[in-house]
Amino acid sequence: ETGVTQTPRHLVMGMTNKKSLKCEQHLGHNAMYWYKQSAKKPLELMFVYSLEERVENNSVPSRFSPECPNSSHLFLHLHTLQPEDSALYLCASSQDRLAVTNTGELFFGEGSRLTVL
Amino acid sequence: GENVEQHPSTLSVQEGDSAVIKCTYSDSASNYFPWYKQELGKGPQLIIDIRSNVGEKKDQRIAVTLNKTAKHFSLHITETQPEDSAVYFCAARSMDSNYQLIWGAGTKLIIKP
Repeated sequence: ETGVTQTPRHLVMGMTNKKSLKCEQHLGHNAMYWYKQSAKKPLELMFVYSLEERVENNSVPSRFSPECPNSSHLFLHLHTLQPEDSALYLCASSQDRLAVTNTGELFFGEGSRLTVL
Repeated sequence: GENVEQHPSTLSVQEGDSAVIKCTYSDSASNYFPWYKQELGKGPQLIIDIRSNVGEKKDQRIAVTLNKTAKHFSLHITETQPEDSAVYFCAARSMDSNYQLIWGAGTKLIIKP
């Protein structure tokens, strides 16, 4: 496999469920990101990891919990979500985090479509 | 903090015509401006970018122009083709936001046959 792979592609969960989104990158990149994409709104940066260390947490509610066990894998653990959390969750990677590099290209996965009932 | 406004939200053009999408930003210290294309069911993909020390950049049918004084930048697509139909996002990298990208809300480009 190449690029950035996200699973599952679709997820439906109740407000009391616990689930996880998984992201894997095969590009040898040092930085990984979680974004939230809602219709007709700008992409919202949620978390940034650089070399497995969290470097950004953009005031995301604690019901979203990221985990980065190594530089190739990123998880987003979900629990007691709200219906307004329904969105497309995109994972991305870059060679280095944008504060370090001038190039800055992000490579996105295809996203996990989350529906909270 | 940085704010990026993108217009129009939807753009419909005849195949073969040109399309222009415009973005404005608020932080005069922003120095990197990428454009991403998102096709249906896919993640965004970088198509072209420009740095603040350059006024224009071209890559085949696409070009980006930057006006630092007015704080706006534009994407130009010439000779549009059906495969250009997608949602296009502009972004700006701002020191105010710890060098993270601040995104526009997207433009849905529809190419009419």
